[in-house]
Amino acid sequence: GENVEQHPSTLSVQEGDSAVIKCTYSDSASNYFPWYKQELGKRPQLIIDIRSNVGEKKDQRIAVTLNKTAKHFSLHITETQPEDSAVYFCAVLSYNTDKLIFGTGTRLQVFP
Amino acid sequence: DARVTQTPRHKVTEMGQEVTMRCQPILGHNTVFWYRQTMMQGLELLAYFRNRAPLDDSGMPKDRFSAEMPDATLATLKIQPSEPRDSAVYFCASGLVTRGLSYGYTFGSGTRLTVV
Repeated sequence: GENVEQHPSTLSVQEGDSAVIKCTYSDSASNYFPWYKQELGKRPQLIIDIRSNVGEKKDQRIAVTLNKTAKHFSLHITETQPEDSAVYFCAVLSYNTDKLIFGTGTRLQVFP
Repeated sequence: DARVTQTPRHKVTEMGQEVTMRCQPILGHNTVFWYRQTMMQGLELLAYFRNRAPLDDSGMPKDRFSAEMPDATLATLKIQPSEPRDSAVYFCASGLVTRGLSYGYTFGSGTRLTVV
């Protein structure tokens, strides 16, 4: 079945540094890869997504890269700020099953 | 901004009682997911629908959970009878999938369920 692994589970960085979170997936039919940010007590919110026909996508300080051959994709946050502190979830949508499966989350802390 | 509306926001109930959670997807979205989250843990997929038809509910405990979409504007998740281990935040998410392409999924604010 579908499986999504996410690393690291926690990440602490100094303000201004970069943060990278990586996810690997098992279903080669996966074709859509969103990233969500969840602040404490709030709903997950979509911050960026990428489709399987694209290798990289950027939106200001965040970017996502996809390696379909290796079946992994990564979230990159540059010039981190304290307000970037949250739990980040990757997700994978399978073209065959239409299931949207989430990784286990990464708790990012950005220290001033 | 279009929103996914979930009700109630909070629910405290006694063990053994029936609980019904409701979700109003964004108008025009054809796919609805139900997830459960405990203590800021991962998002566990319970069930999902496409064009109101259930596609998969293998993530749900069948003996006590049921999910339905009586119409395009309402999805429901019921627990009967409820147990303390069901205490969690239940999220609904809706999105548009057309011609095999997805256009992002939006989460509701969740229902925080406490079973005592």
